Amino acid sequence: ELKVEQNPLFLSMQEGKNYTIYCNYSTTSDRLYWYRQDPGKSLESLFVLLSNGAVKQEGRLMASLDTKARLSTLHITAAVHDLSATYFCAVDMGGNQFYFGTGTSLTVIP
Amino acid sequence: DTEVTQTPKHLVMGMTNKKSLKCEQHMGHRAMYWYKQKAKKPPELMFVYSYEKLSINESVPSRFSPECPNSSLLNLHLHALQPEDSALYLCASSQHSGGAPYNEQFFGPGTRLTVL
Repeated sequence: ELKVEQNPLFLSMQEGKNYTIYCNYSTTSDRLYWYRQDPGKSLESLFVLLSNGAVKQEGRLMASLDTKARLSTLHITAAVHDLSATYFCAVDMGGNQFYFGTGTSLTVIP
Repeated sequence: DTEVTQTPKHLVMGMTNKKSLKCEQHMGHRAMYWYKQKAKKPPELMFVYSYEKLSINESVPSRFSPECPNSSLLNLHLHALQPEDSALYLCASSQHSGGAPYNEQFFGPGTRLTVL
C-alpha cells in the first residue's frame, strides 16, 4: 500500500523566516500535486509537478519533485501570515486515484 | 466555468433521516470523486466515477450510496447515518487519467455534515 508522509505535521514559524515542508512517498510516481486548505474550507490547487526535477514557483512558495528519491518539497520564503493554512501533497498513481499526504498545519506568527 | 459546486453547504440530520448531497461541474471532466474529511486529517477517498460509471468504491458502508446521473452531476445519498459519519464531504472532478497527461483534481467547497 502506498504511504505518503509529510513532515513536519505542525509548523509554527515567524514572519520573514524560511522553511521547507517535505513529502515522502513509498512507491514510484512522477506526478505529484500540492494543495492548500484553510480552516473549514476546501482544497485549493497550488502546484502540479509532472516529472523528475520539476520546479514550480508562485509568490513565496516553491515546490520541487525528485522522483528518484520519492520526495517533494514545498519551500516557503519570507513567510507572511496569509500563508497560514494546512498544506497537503498528493501522489497520482494513475487510475484516477490520488493518495494524500498526512498534511502540514502551518501557522505564521507575527 | 472552472469550478465545482456543492449543495448544501451545511447539513444536520438525524440517524433515521434520508438526505442527499449534490455536486456539479461544467468543465467537461469525465472523472468525479467523493471524499470524506475529518478535522485535521487528509481527505479519504470514498468513490470514483469514471465516464459516469462507478470505478472505485473504497469499501464504504452501504448507508452511503453514490449516483452519477450524467457527466456533470454527482450525488451522494445518505441513509441511517451514524454520528461518526459527521465530517466535511468533498466532491472533486478531473479530466480523467486516461485522457490527459496529468489528472489534477479540482475540489468543491464541501458539505459540512453533522449527524445527531
